[in-house]
Amino acid sequence: AQSVTQPDIHITVSEGASLELRCNYSYGATPYLFWYVQSPGQGLQLLLKYFSGDTLVQGIKGFEAEFKRSQSSFNLRKPSVHWSDAAEYFCAVGRNSGNTPLVFGKGTRLSVIA
Amino acid sequence: GAVVSQHPSWVICKSGTSVKIECRSLDFQATTMFWYRQFPKQSLMLMATSNEGSKATYEQGVEKDKFLINHASLTLSTLTVTSAHPEDSSFYICSARAGTGNIQYFGAGTRLSVL
Repeated sequence: AQSVTQPDIHITVSEGASLELRCNYSYGATPYLFWYVQSPGQGLQLLLKYFSGDTLVQGIKGFEAEFKRSQSSFNLRKPSVHWSDAAEYFCAVGRNSGNTPLVFGKGTRLSVIA
Repeated sequence: GAVVSQHPSWVICKSGTSVKIECRSLDFQATTMFWYRQFPKQSLMLMATSNEGSKATYEQGVEKDKFLINHASLTLSTLTVTSAHPEDSSFYICSARAGTGNIQYFGAGTRLSVL
């Protein structure tokens, strides 16, 4: 069965500190991997995606993620967090073809303190 | 590019009435749109997959007669919550699949409050 696990429900970091949000997936085929961010009361914004090729992908807002097949992980990182990064972050996995929906993790809420 | 507009952003209705939510892809054609429901502090729960020109595919446990989905054009899908009750109060989000690669772009969501 396809699943996405985000082990951390809530993370608090200081502004300027580095950030890593964990994501592990279980998928039978070659996965397409995504990170989305959701601000309160808003829809989801695509931060970055991995389809193939270089396992370190760059996204918007200074985020990056690394695909590690051996660990079935796709962790999101940012070297220096800004207060505006406080939001809910969702990891998702899907197929690269067909009209198949994405499978989302339960999300990690990021709080940023001064 | 790849903007999805969802309307309304917030609706309050009386119990027993119906509410229609629109999801539009503004700058691309979307043969497939998805409808999700999100409870507070929870992840997204897929309700149905909407394909242009055909019947929607509903997830197990989602009442198709209660949540009517119409995808009449390549840029518009609608979700109608029929005979809404307080337990239908939730945040509903649509997404549209753009091109190949299964990239989904999301609307801003609709908060439904049923009194």
